[in-house]
Amino acid sequence: QQQVKQSPQSLIVQKGGISIINCAYENTAFDYFPWYQQFPGKGPALLIAIRPDVSEKKEGRFTISFNKSAKQFSLHIMDSQPGDSATYFCAASMAQAGTALIFGKGTTLSVSS
Amino acid sequence: DTAVSQTPKYLVTQMGNDKSIKCEQNLGHDTMYWYKQDSKKFLKIMFSYNNKELIINETVPNRFSPKSPDKAHLNLHINSLELGDSAVYFCASSQPSTANYGYTFGSGTRLTVV
Repeated sequence: QQQVKQSPQSLIVQKGGISIINCAYENTAFDYFPWYQQFPGKGPALLIAIRPDVSEKKEGRFTISFNKSAKQFSLHIMDSQPGDSATYFCAASMAQAGTALIFGKGTTLSVSS
Repeated sequence: DTAVSQTPKYLVTQMGNDKSIKCEQNLGHDTMYWYKQDSKKFLKIMFSYNNKELIINETVPNRFSPKSPDKAHLNLHINSLELGDSAVYFCASSQPSTANYGYTFGSGTRLTVV
């Protein structure tokens, strides 16, 4: 059973465009929703995260939109740059000891110049 | 530098061998994890330790044995390696009791079993 479903699997965006990646979760007990960015040969790095008490969080060009009733959240990358080309993972967990992040299957983003 | 460091970065070994991967974090986190990333980049939790105590043990073959000598270290020993064990193994740490719950990952160990 896949608890966090991510789409699309791959995405090609032109430089300056908006990249949008979507995730859906099943477990209503999840209360922490991060996005991770991974470059080839590197470990995933935390990009931005949100808790279910807010519907949107923005950090620079990166925005998370969260819809609790639909059990969905998305990452928007504004003014996408070639340096944003990477694999992006959504994840979800209960923010407490004894639980672990459950990851989506990842989205490979390519930003063409 | 504050970080999660794991060694070795690359590991090539023959089927049937036993190998270990070491992980150390100097972030003062209480919880450490091992994740496996397969060839399709899917990240799956294997184990979690909280302050040296095993908390999560997913359906992983018992050829895999984690050991945490102290809360800053979490090692992974693998017995009788099989071809299907080839993957990238990531160590991570976090501090669940704080507002900054984000995981910090190491740079990974690419294990190739031949």
